[in-house]
Amino acid sequence: QSALTQPASVSGSPGQSITISCTGTSSDVGGYNYVSWYQQHPGKAPQLMIYEVSNRPSGISNRFSGSKSGNTASLTISGLQAEDEADYYCSSYTSSSTLQFGGGTKLTVL
Amino acid sequence: EVQLVESGGGLVQPGGSLRLSCAASGFTFSSSWMHWVRQAPGKGLVWVSRINSDGSSTSYADSVKGRFTISRDNAKSTLYLQMNSLRAEDTAVYYCARTYYYDRSGHCFDYWGQGTLVTVSS
Repeated sequence: QSALTQPASVSGSPGQSITISCTGTSSDVGGYNYVSWYQQHPGKAPQLMIYEVSNRPSGISNRFSGSKSGNTASLTISGLQAEDEADYYCSSYTSSSTLQFGGGTKLTVL
Repeated sequence: EVQLVESGGGLVQPGGSLRLSCAASGFTFSSSWMHWVRQAPGKGLVWVSRINSDGSSTSYADSVKGRFTISRDNAKSTLYLQMNSLRAEDTAVYYCARTYYYDRSGHCFDYWGQGTLVTVSS
């Protein structure tokens, strides 16, 4: 069970768009449309931002969007705001009926 | 209001045992799949275990299989994690999390507790 691969860090200026990738295999990301994304601020519990690849839970801004191509899922944040600075984690259901997280990406808003 | 409150963390020696609890309120606990997720200090999230709504089905990460046992008491709206043969690498904040109703995988979480710290050290 290897962690999904995410870039360690990404950055962007306010108002810009950024994309965070999440690469797995055909046994997880590529095999199921069960990719989720979480935002975690320091010292806080994670918050669900995207589920089933591209769906937003109620209350989540439409600046957050998700997609998937092959074994790679992506989270895009548009109109970057200072409050978006946080760690972001992807997760995927796997063929072993377990869950795999990505290693996490630190987003810095310049 | 949905609340998940973990307890039972602390300092334990390698090879020791600990039982974590997660008291749930504000929703129908007996209808929800529940999970444990951990996060080592300064590190990423790692899924630990899952239990279905009536406790008849469980699954574990390979790193804890055979050492940890997840269980629940629906009458008490409480989730448990029995941790045996603890190792230094089990040191982490342990979160309980509720499965998000609208996600069909049963492995997506809309509510998390505040976490309880487990430290394995001599």
